[in-house]
Amino acid sequence: AQSVTQLDSQVPVFEEAPVELRCNYSSSVSVYLFWYVQYPNQGLQLLLKYLSGSTLVKGINGFEAEFNKSQTSFHLRKPSVHISDTAEYFCAVSGPASGGSYIPTFGRGTSLIVHP
Amino acid sequence: DVKVTQSSRYLVKRTGEKVFLECVQDMDHENMFWYRQDPGLGLRLIYFSYDVKMKEKGDIPEGYSVSREKKERFSLILESASTNQTSMYLCASSTIRGTGKETQYFGPGTRLLVL
Repeated sequence: AQSVTQLDSQVPVFEEAPVELRCNYSSSVSVYLFWYVQYPNQGLQLLLKYLSGSTLVKGINGFEAEFNKSQTSFHLRKPSVHISDTAEYFCAVSGPASGGSYIPTFGRGTSLIVHP
Repeated sequence: DVKVTQSSRYLVKRTGEKVFLECVQDMDHENMFWYRQDPGLGLRLIYFSYDVKMKEKGDIPEGYSVSREKKERFSLILESASTNQTSMYLCASSTIRGTGKETQYFGPGTRLLVL
């Protein structure tokens, strides 16, 4: 079985400050990792994903994430946030599930609140 | 661009009513999913489907059923709505079954209030 823990339910930050949103996963097999963003009153959209290769993954809107297998983490970072980054961020993991299907498991979400 | 549309953005229903939530995707995706989203609980999978007329239970199927008569359409049915089904419902689709690498494409969501 796989699971995802997003360590912070809410992260307040000032505009132009750096931010890190933390995500840890547990799985007994190799996994694929995703970050999705949900802007107010919208559905989720993909920010970035790690499938294989370089452990540093770059996504849209200046975000990046680093896959750390030894620490089973996939933290999301941005060096300088904007007001428009205020949103809910979801970490997700996919891998073998029962019956051989690959269904993603989502974390509970982190609300990023950017203050002027 | 992939487009996933949901029939309603907001719905208000009474306890005991039968409720239909419709989802349509326009990219010929094989996989479709229904989630509910609640504050502090994230996304929880209700049902998913890999093909027409095929469905599989997710983590919280109780009180729900689904229908997939056409590849592009996946319907969620609340047989007898209850107040604890008040939630945001998100539909998603993806292609290529079974690799785990798929990106999910989400609709804008339906916010359902059951009174």
